Amino acid sequence: DSGVTQTPKHLITATGQRVTLRCSPRSGDLSVYWYQQSLDQGLQFLIQYYNGEERAKGNILERFSAQQFPDLHSELNLSSLELGDSALYFCASSGYPDPGTAQYFGPGTRLTVL
Amino acid sequence: GESVGLHLPTLSVQEGDNSIINCAYSNSASDYFIWYKQESGKGPQFIIDIRSNMDKRQGQRVTVLLNKTVKHLSLQIAATQPGDSAVYFCAESVPGYSTLTFGKGTMLLVSP
Repeated sequence: DSGVTQTPKHLITATGQRVTLRCSPRSGDLSVYWYQQSLDQGLQFLIQYYNGEERAKGNILERFSAQQFPDLHSELNLSSLELGDSALYFCASSGYPDPGTAQYFGPGTRLTVL
Repeated sequence: GESVGLHLPTLSVQEGDNSIINCAYSNSASDYFIWYKQESGKGPQFIIDIRSNMDKRQGQRVTVLLNKTVKHLSLQIAATQPGDSAVYFCAESVPGYSTLTFGKGTMLLVSP
C-alpha cells in the first residue's frame, strides 16, 4: 500500500458527460501528479500540483482540468467525455516539487466511456 | 477501430531463477532513475531508485545497475517468485524537465 488513495475505483459514464476523480496524497507529500494510462499509449503525464499551485503541465486536454485543495487532496475533472478518454487514471505523490524524487502511485480509477 | 495494446517485450523465467530486466534510457543528462512494478489493474509500485552518481544500488532481492556510458539501466531480481510476475518499467528524470519520462515496460512471467 503506497499511502495514496483514489476514488472511485471504477467509473462508467456516457459520451458528453463530466466526471471528477479524487486523489489523496501520502501524508506529508505536497506534490500530486496525474497520469493517464491507456492500452496503446503507456503512462502519460497530465499535470502536477505542488502545495496548491499548478507546477507543470503535460499532455492534458483542454477538456480536462485539475486542482489541489488546501488539505492537499486533488481532483481531476474530465468533461465532454469521448470514447477515447476511456483509460486508467493514476495520481502519484511525492514530497518535493521536482520530478527527481520517487513518486508513489495510487491504485487508479478505471474510466469507461460508453 | 480496434485499439491495439502495447507490444511489450516479455521475459519468461522459472521460479527460483534470477531475472534481469533491461532499460535503455534516452537522455544522457538524466540524473535519477526509478524502477516500478505494475500488476494487472493496479497502480505502479515503487521498487528501487538510483542517482547518476552511483553505478549500483541494492534492495531486498533487487539490484539496479546503471551504465551511463551506454545509457543502460537494469533491474536484477534474485530468486524470482510467481508473485514477481508483472510489468516492470523504468523512469528517468532529466534536470529541467517537468516530469519523469517512463519507458514502455517489460512483462515478467514467472512459472512455478
